Order: sequence, then C-alpha cells, then structure tokens
Amino acid sequence: DTEVTQTPKHLVMGMTNKKSLKCEQHMGHRAMYWYKQKAKKPPELMFVYSYEKLSINESVPSRFSPECPNSSLLNLHLHALQPEDSALYLCASSQGVGQGALEQYFGPGTRLTVT
Amino acid sequence: AQSVTQPDIHITVSEGASLELRCNYSYGATPYLFWYVQSPGQGLQLLLKYFSGDTLVQGIKGFEAEFKRSQSSFNLRKPSVHWSDAAEYFCAVGAGGYQKVTFGIGTKLQVIP
Repeated sequence: DTEVTQTPKHLVMGMTNKKSLKCEQHMGHRAMYWYKQKAKKPPELMFVYSYEKLSINESVPSRFSPECPNSSLLNLHLHALQPEDSALYLCASSQGVGQGALEQYFGPGTRLTVT
Repeated sequence: AQSVTQPDIHITVSEGASLELRCNYSYGATPYLFWYVQSPGQGLQLLLKYFSGDTLVQGIKGFEAEFKRSQSSFNLRKPSVHWSDAAEYFCAVGAGGYQKVTFGIGTKLQVIP
C-alpha cells in the first residue's frame, strides 16, 4: 500500500472557525510532512515530523498547529486563518532516515478556502 | 543551500511527439534528484528518482531522466507523449542527511492532438 490519504478533500471555513486537516499513511513511514501549495506555485514545506517529533517548522504562523498522534497519523489544526491562507494543503510521508527520507509520497491534498 | 531551476514554464507538444523537460540544480555535494507530476487539483506523484549509480534512470509511465553532473542537469524525457501526460511537472533536489526537498517552479505540459 503506497497510499497517503487526506480528509477532507475540500474545506471552506470562516476566519473565526477552528478546523482540522487529517492525513494517514500505512506504509510504515516514520516521517510525515505538511506542505502548502498556492495556485501555479510549487509546494512549500511547512512542518516535518520525524518519529512523531516535530523536527522542522518553517517559521509557520501559530494559527497553524500540527500534531502527530502516532506514526501513521498527522493533523493540522487551523484557527483564525486569513483569506491568504487559502491553498491546497498537501501531506506527504517518507522513511525516517537515510536516502529514503527524501523519497516522499504525497496525498491528494485538501483544498482550503478561507472566507 | 540547494536550488532547482526549471527554465520552461509552459511547454506544448503534439500527441505522439517526443518530450524533454529541463531541470538544472545547484548543490555542492552529490544531489538526490526527483521528478514529480501533478494533475490539476491533485497531489504529487513520484515519477522517478536519482540517488547514485547509473545516470540514466527509468521511471513510471514511460518516463526516463538522465543525470549529467558536468551540466548540473537532470532532464526528463519521454519518447512519445500521450494526451494523459498533460500535467504540471516538478523537478526537486534533496540533500543527504536532511528531510527537506526543494522544488522547482514547475513546467506545465500541454498536449495537443
């Protein structure tokens, strides 16, 4: 199974709402990633969890809060977002160490619209 | 720091024609190189990767890429393009020992009948 799943597929939220994005993988990978992708742009790394610990935070605003409950699950909690946060949010996973850490498998993404 | 340049923002090819998408990287040591494809509104799918060894790598969907250290390039090729290949293609480079992959800005491929 080489699949990364993400829910929901689409999300519309107001600027005062609290919502969460979910990501799941069953490949035994020990690293998981959140990316943000604006239209016609490459993915931008937001967070990396390695062995369930946050290893990289690319100076992401605190209105985005990641969580890794276990090695298969990754959440992104959203609160008080701005319209400019509207984007496709991609989850990815990879092996935790070595060359395999760079070979990332992506989910289909959650299309987020902030109104 | 590593970087990737994809000089072509948009390429149009006829169905059945050959394809080459260009990618140049900048990295001081041996790079780890990737090509991903993204259909509209979808996630990224890994087409192929280069870590070491044979400089010509084969990937899925009939794609191949050649690593040329002297030119700092990792160009993607396909001998005969199908309409279903229309998508955005991203070249990416990673650094050994780290988990950060740097993506190029992407090349949008349009396939015409």
